[in-house]
Amino acid sequence: QSVLTQPPSVSGAPGQRVTISCTGSNSNIGANYGVHWYQQLPGTAPKLLIYGDNNRPSGVPERFSGSKSGTSASLAITGLQAEDEADYYCQSYDSSLSGSLVFGGGTKLTVL
Amino acid sequence: QVQLVESGGGLVKPGGSLRLSCAASGFTFSDYYMGWIRQAPGKGLEWVSYITESSTYANYADSVKGRFTISRDNAKKSLFLQMNSLRAEDTAVYYCAVLTVSGWSYFFDNWGQGSLVTVAS
Repeated sequence: QSVLTQPPSVSGAPGQRVTISCTGSNSNIGANYGVHWYQQLPGTAPKLLIYGDNNRPSGVPERFSGSKSGTSASLAITGLQAEDEADYYCQSYDSSLSGSLVFGGGTKLTVL
Repeated sequence: QVQLVESGGGLVKPGGSLRLSCAASGFTFSDYYMGWIRQAPGKGLEWVSYITESSTYANYADSVKGRFTISRDNAKKSLFLQMNSLRAEDTAVYYCAVLTVSGWSYFFDNWGQGSLVTVAS
């Protein structure tokens, strides 16, 4: 059971927009700790996609965006492409667990 | 560019020990926190441990506290994870990563390729 809750899977057709939710609590996302997102393509190491709620590292397409409200955060992907098919993870800091770093359980994105 | 190369993984019996290493290059290693994250086969990511730039503080997930020890050698630009009293549930790919801390944001902005640790008899 992960501290941050994500849907196990989402899907969308090429060109569509999809969102992935990440629900936490008042000791992590709700306490205004930053939410970060990672993309893990099949057979590869995770890659930072969004940091500090809504910032993209250099090289990440503008199609990827993040948002946060209350105890939840979301990753949005617009103009879905076949190469976006991957696992996506949210991550934050949790003050109730001795300053632990916590991940969501991950969401598998399927491009139809 | 940033490069992180893990080594030291392998097959170990339950109760045994293993030491993972991570060789860093392409950035000023001594300026950054570093961390370990693991991923059991077919499962999600689990944070394991992190250490501050000058090793003044280290933190561990409850699942490994008292069994794993993180350390670093800034002169050799290397990160280590000493794993003792290993259990079957420690079987995973272990990733070394650069941990950037900005205000109350802690995030892993560069990852190694991972090292597989298998605990089995």
